[in-house]
Amino acid sequence: GDSVTQMEGPVTLSEEAFLTINCTYTATGYPSLFWYVQYPGEGLQLLLKATKADDKGSNKGFEATYRKETTSFHLEKGSVQVSDSAVYFCALTPGGGGNKLTFGTGTQLKVEL
Amino acid sequence: DSGVTQTPKHLITATGQRVTLRCSPRSGDLSVYWYQQSLDQGLQFLIQYYNGEERAKGNILERFSAQQFPDLHSELNLSSLELGDSALYFCASSVDPAQETQYFGPGTRLLVL
Repeated sequence: GDSVTQMEGPVTLSEEAFLTINCTYTATGYPSLFWYVQYPGEGLQLLLKATKADDKGSNKGFEATYRKETTSFHLEKGSVQVSDSAVYFCALTPGGGGNKLTFGTGTQLKVEL
Repeated sequence: DSGVTQTPKHLITATGQRVTLRCSPRSGDLSVYWYQQSLDQGLQFLIQYYNGEERAKGNILERFSAQQFPDLHSELNLSSLELGDSALYFCASSVDPAQETQYFGPGTRLLVL
């Protein structure tokens, strides 16, 4: 079945550092890929998405590119802020339309001053 | 605020009991999804409804059941509760199954003692 693998956390960075959170996936067909963020005590918020190969999703300074050749969707941000501290989840839905989300295990990000 | 509401926010109960979690989707959304977030299993898809009909089933236990009502709100019923059912239960909604973006509610935290 479909699966998503994320790098283990926690990731601790200083403010203004560069962020990369790795995500790779296994899926049949042409899945859509997502990054969701969960702030402490809150639900999941969609951060960005990409629906086909070579698409780049971006939002709030975060970016991720759908790489079919490497089955990856790594999350990047050029300069993190303390307010970015949260848990980040990579996820996919099967190709052909919205359906169940398959999530990675989540990566906790801590940004310090 | 995603527009998805869930009640109650917290629930504490005993083993063997039955509880009902409620979800109201965003205005205009016809599809509702339930997910379970636990420390050992991570985020897992449970079940999906579209316009009152069950659409997809995931790792949902036989002790759990759900339904979507004519006004589109959904309820997740958990019975014969066990300690291992303690988790955060999220509801998400989308316009229809073809729409890949799901919007999540704040979750219901269930503690089984």
